[in-house]
Amino acid sequence: SQQGEEDPQALSIQEGENATMNCSYKTSINNLQWYRQNSGRGLVHLILIRSNEREKHSGRLRVTLDTSKKSSSLLITASRAADTASYFCATSRSSGSARQLTFGSGTQLTVLP
Amino acid sequence: DTAVSQTPKYLVTQMGNDKSIKCEQNLGHDTMYWYKQDSKKFLKIMFSYNNKELIINETVPNRFSPKSPDKAHLNLHINSLELGDSAVYFCASSQEGGYTFGSGTRLTVV
Repeated sequence: SQQGEEDPQALSIQEGENATMNCSYKTSINNLQWYRQNSGRGLVHLILIRSNEREKHSGRLRVTLDTSKKSSSLLITASRAADTASYFCATSRSSGSARQLTFGSGTQLTVLP
Repeated sequence: DTAVSQTPKYLVTQMGNDKSIKCEQNLGHDTMYWYKQDSKKFLKIMFSYNNKELIINETVPNRFSPKSPDKAHLNLHINSLELGDSAVYFCASSQEGGYTFGSGTRLTVV
């Protein structure tokens, strides 16, 4: 079953603006991860936030996690045309000796030059 | 060097055929995965595998079978291909933390 739901499904902004994407999930997690997928390409890992963390930064990316609300947000500041891609949240929890990563439905971000 | 490589990149085949997709990782990761991405970009886990345990998503038809000759390889074999199998298949690996994905194999069944 689908773990994550992302909001919005599509987002279009002007270059230089900030982009915020949200993710909600249903079960307990070990960590939550965000990935980017450019059209026709594989997924690229952006950032991981553990269940005991509330906020994390990496360059122009800021991720928050609220485990009480089972939600996370990804903020991209000062967006660039090259940020145009699909962004997925994914939740990780252990199942036996293997880790399972379950993806949300994704947000298509378009940054207009 | 490509960290996770999968071949072929594109695969067009007729219904009923049997095909394999290969995946290799040179990261020394202990766990490998196969994901299926449908036309709406939804990613679904098919298998996760390390040298101790294979976990199969119960919704995956038994026409799909993973084969791991060693820790660095996890191939996907598909029997009796159906039109609905058309999708992009991604291999991935992980140790701790984030996954590293291959570039995908676009399978088209005609």
